[in-house]
Amino acid sequence: QKEVEQNSGPLSVPEGAIASLNCTYSDRGSQSFFWYRQYSGKSPELIMSIYSNGDKEDGRFTAQLNKASQYVSLLIRDSQPSDSATYLCAGQMDSSYKLIFGSGTRLLVRP
Amino acid sequence: GAVVSQHPSRVICKSGTSVKIECRSLDFQATTMFWYRQFPKQSLMLMATSNEGSKATYEQGVEKDKFLINHASLTLSTLTVTSAHPEDSSFYICSARIASGSSYNEQFFGPGTRLTVL
Repeated sequence: QKEVEQNSGPLSVPEGAIASLNCTYSDRGSQSFFWYRQYSGKSPELIMSIYSNGDKEDGRFTAQLNKASQYVSLLIRDSQPSDSATYLCAGQMDSSYKLIFGSGTRLLVRP
Repeated sequence: GAVVSQHPSRVICKSGTSVKIECRSLDFQATTMFWYRQFPKQSLMLMATSNEGSKATYEQGVEKDKFLINHASLTLSTLTVTSAHPEDSSFYICSARIASGSSYNEQFFGPGTRLTVL
């Protein structure tokens, strides 16, 4: 069973802090990983994609991938109350292009 | 990011009726689209993979005769919930995969359709 695991949270951080969201996956052959943000009652919104080991930065967001440890993370710098949402980690595990989603981590940014 | 639309955004219907939901990729061609269902406070559940010009691939436990999927063009996939019942009430979301270019393999979600069956 291919799985993606996330801590459900909530992760509470003060405004302006760095929020660190983590995800592990079971299939060592997985190639592509994605972070989505989902506000309550809305559909997921793609924030970052990462395909190779290392860091990928986009504005306040940095995705990190460590394939040896089967670990993906998302750092949000200068967290804002508007970042409060559920963050979904997803991995593409095979050539079907299907994504396996984690259960999501709820982030709360305190003003 | 790429834009995916869904219609309708919300539908209320009587038990036993059929409901069609459309998913369109507005600014890119999508050879592969996916249909998900999400119940309150739960994560996304993949229902089926829709490939343009071929039959959809359904996940285990999803009734293909109840959830009819058609992917007739590179920009449109439809999901028809046949003979809907109250237990089918849920948030249905489609996603479309970009097959080429700098956003290769990224999937973008539509805004979702909230179905309520009375």
